[in-house]
Amino acid sequence: DIQMTQSPPTLSASVGDRVTITCRASQRIDNWLAWYQQKPGKAPKILVYKAFNLESGVPSRFSARGSGTEFTLTISSLQPDDFATYYCQHYNIYPYTFGQGTKLEIK
Amino acid sequence: EVQLEESGGSVVRPGGSLRLSCTVSGFTFDDHGMNWVRQAPGKGLEWVSGINWNGGSPVYADSVKGRFTISRDKAKNTLYLQMHSLRAEDTAMYYCARERLLEGDFDHWGQGTLVTVSS
Repeated sequence: DIQMTQSPPTLSASVGDRVTITCRASQRIDNWLAWYQQKPGKAPKILVYKAFNLESGVPSRFSARGSGTEFTLTISSLQPDDFATYYCQHYNIYPYTFGQGTKLEIK
Repeated sequence: EVQLEESGGSVVRPGGSLRLSCTVSGFTFDDHGMNWVRQAPGKGLEWVSGINWNGGSPVYADSVKGRFTISRDKAKNTLYLQMHSLRAEDTAMYYCARERLLEGDFDHWGQGTLVTVSS
């Protein structure tokens, strides 16, 4: 199975900060990577698919890049609505594993 | 509007069985692969099972293989997860999720249904 490792597990930041979350796959997954945002008590919501494609309606302050085994999600200027937990997920081959999550907290 | 609505979650004793349902609307159910994802209290997301557009090739996480069965009913626009031999570690919120056409990421999710395995 492909393992997904996210870092950092927790990130403390302030409104207006630029932050980056990293996701590493244990083997090459080409571009078959998605990023999700989850708020407490809610279902996850897709942000990015196929490594760098922003879902319709996702603000342009979000960007993503990467290929192969290393991927990043960047928020250029944090807004209050962005404080949440973020997960990466590969969908290269079953099982489609998730990273352990990065909780973005207000500093 | 795409909608997915899970149901069937409840409290069940260890060793018991439960069937979850996910009824969808707002899109052509037959076009999309579907999946179940769970989240134990305070924990991360765990992919559980997936099924392709025509009900073939079901796949399972090792943690549930041999105990859970995924299926779909085209006439009822419903995805199912039959769960047997439930364990305490199966306690979680269970989400159904739609695969994006031609891609595979999960572009729409239900709100979840809670399964609690406890004596």
